[in-house]
Amino acid sequence: QQPVQSPQAVILREGEDAVINCSSSKALYSVHWYRQKHGEAPVFLMILLKGGEQKGHDKISASFNEKKQQSSLYLTASQLSYSGTYFCGTPPSGSARQLTFGSGTQLTVLP
Amino acid sequence: EADIYQTPRYLVIGTGKKITLECSQTMGHDKMYWYQQDPGMELHLIHYSYGVNSTEKGDLSSESTVSRIRTEHFPLTLESARPSHTSQYLCASAQGAAGANVLTFGAGSRLTVL
Repeated sequence: QQPVQSPQAVILREGEDAVINCSSSKALYSVHWYRQKHGEAPVFLMILLKGGEQKGHDKISASFNEKKQQSSLYLTASQLSYSGTYFCGTPPSGSARQLTFGSGTQLTVLP
Repeated sequence: EADIYQTPRYLVIGTGKKITLECSQTMGHDKMYWYQQDPGMELHLIHYSYGVNSTEKGDLSSESTVSRIRTEHFPLTLESARPSHTSQYLCASAQGAAGANVLTFGAGSRLTVL
């Protein structure tokens, strides 16, 4: 069962913040975040392996709430280069080595 | 420099033709995957492999088949293409423990079946 992402799309101005959520009705064993720019392949952003973990680089960070079965991606002071579709991916079980992706969140940053 | 290569990048063919989409990686990754993605839409896992001579079907039912005879090579074949197969096919590879695999994607093969 694929994770659910919200919102489906968000438009913001350069410098504004955004939050993208990823949730599941089943247990989340780890959460992976990828970004896909238009016409390009998805690119890995970060992975969260255990509940309570938070990660970030530059002004993009993420948190993982294992009990609530959800993860959030935070984009702070958005730049034009942040535009793209963000996908969260989760393994279907603790031993699985494949990922099931959510439906994606399309982020557009305007000047 | 890309470490995972897909060919062809674009292919337009007629209904009923047999096609093979090639995917090769130079990273020595044991795990490889095929995802199908319509423009602007979600990624659907159609096949994956954990190593040589190991292949499994993914979440989305697909009429395609795959093989894994060499670690670096994971081709996808459609015996008789139909318009419903029109889509983008993304190949990926990964290394690492369960749940911690970081996927590296190829540039994709965009297939159009007339």
